[in-house]
Amino acid sequence: DTAVSQTPKYLVTQMGNDKSIKCEQNLGHDTMYWYKQDSKKFLKIMFSYNNKELIINETVPNRFSPKSPDKAHLNLHINSLELGDSAVYFCASSLTGGAFYEQYFGPGTRLTVT
Amino acid sequence: DQQVKQNSPSLSVQEGRISILNCDYTNSMFDYFLWYKKYPAEGPTFLISISSIKDKNEDGRFTVFLNKSAKHLSLHIVPSQPGDSAVYFCAASADTNAGKSTFGDGTTLTVKP
Repeated sequence: DTAVSQTPKYLVTQMGNDKSIKCEQNLGHDTMYWYKQDSKKFLKIMFSYNNKELIINETVPNRFSPKSPDKAHLNLHINSLELGDSAVYFCASSLTGGAFYEQYFGPGTRLTVT
Repeated sequence: DQQVKQNSPSLSVQEGRISILNCDYTNSMFDYFLWYKKYPAEGPTFLISISSIKDKNEDGRFTVFLNKSAKHLSLHIVPSQPGDSAVYFCAASADTNAGKSTFGDGTTLTVKP
């Protein structure tokens, strides 16, 4: 009964490759997010989608492209991977409006670029 | 510009005692504050929140205090239990969109039996 799931959990790849990370939530939430946690442990928002529409797009390289086929899925595709992309990527979801500020996070995908 | 700071990267407490985790922020527009707990190899999980109209919110063993004038909030855990050992993130938001929360860099709490 995983609320927010991500695949894969671990991803090791070489520089220059293209890879995707998938995220799915079964909570009926209308907003999904991608965060990057770097080596300094900061959690930084990358993208946010509300009802399949992009609403937050922080300053990330164009090599990162999110895709939301429906409200329950938000995938992250990364082109031409670089060493600096190595991090843990977390997907999250939430309900907007009302008092539902809290987000539900997936378990994370540890990406290692060699 | 780090708008949310957790100045103690780690805290060690004896089981049964109080754990106090601190968080400072600089943006006076923040009006909603959250604490998340994170175990290794898992995503953060929501723990407790407080809005700026309150100065205290309690949920079982967890209490969050907010001092708006000092731009400071703290999380108290009483009594602390070994299962509370985790990384604790505070987050702050000026918007109803949770994705605009700004996170601190976490405090690792270790509760010793």
